[in-house]
Amino acid sequence: AQSVTQLGSHVSVSEGALVLLRCNYSSSVPPYLFWYVQYPNQGLQLLLKYTTGATLVKGINGFEAEFKKSETSFHLTKPSAHMSDAAEYFCAVSVSNTGNQFYFGTGTSLTVIP
Amino acid sequence: EAQVTQNPRYLITVTGKKLTVTCSQNMNHEYMSWYRQDPGLGLRQIYYSMNVEVTDKGDVPEGYKVSRKEKRNFPLILESPSPNQTSLYFCASSFSVGATEQYFGPGTRLTVT
Repeated sequence: AQSVTQLGSHVSVSEGALVLLRCNYSSSVPPYLFWYVQYPNQGLQLLLKYTTGATLVKGINGFEAEFKKSETSFHLTKPSAHMSDAAEYFCAVSVSNTGNQFYFGTGTSLTVIP
Repeated sequence: EAQVTQNPRYLITVTGKKLTVTCSQNMNHEYMSWYRQDPGLGLRQIYYSMNVEVTDKGDVPEGYKVSRKEKRNFPLILESPSPNQTSLYFCASSFSVGATEQYFGPGTRLTVT
C-alpha cells in the first residue's frame, strides 16, 4: 500500500503571508499526485494534480505545487494567503500499476489570521 | 450540473439497525468509491468499484457492504451499525483510477448510539 504523509496537522499564517503545506509520499514508481481542499461542511474539491510532464503544477485560487521525485514530495504553496483560504487540505496519491486505489494524507487545517 | 449526490446528509441511528446511504453520479464515471473521514486519520477508503458488478475492498471494509448494479449508483450498506462507525462518509467518482481526479459528494454525517 502507498502512504502519504502531511507534516503539520494545523498550520496558521497571517493574511498576505506565504502558505506552505507539506506532503511526502512513498512509492517506488512515479505516482499521480493530487491536492484537494475541503471547506467547512462540504465535500472535497480538486486544487491541482500532477500526472506527467512539468513538475511545477498550477491550480485554482493561486495555489501551485512542485513534484520533486528525489525528495518524494509534493508540497503545496501560495505566495499570499487570503482569508478565504482557510480550509482543510488533503494530499492524495494514486499509482496505476499497484492497485486501484487512491490514498489520502491525514490532512492539514489551514488558519489565516487577519 | 455534474455532481455526486448522497442521501441522507445527516443520520442518527442506534446500534444494530441496518441502514443504507445512497450515492449517485451523473457523469457516466466508471470508478466509484466510499471513504470515511475521522479526525486525525484523514480519508480512508472503505470500498471501491471499477465498474458495474465489480467491487473490491479498500483499507477499512469491515462492517460495510456495497453493491454496483447500475453505473450511476453505489450504495453503502451497514448491516449492523456499531458506535465505532460514527463518522463522516464521502462518496466519490471518477472516470478511472490513476491520473483522473475524483469528484466528491457533500458527505453524510452518521452517528451510531
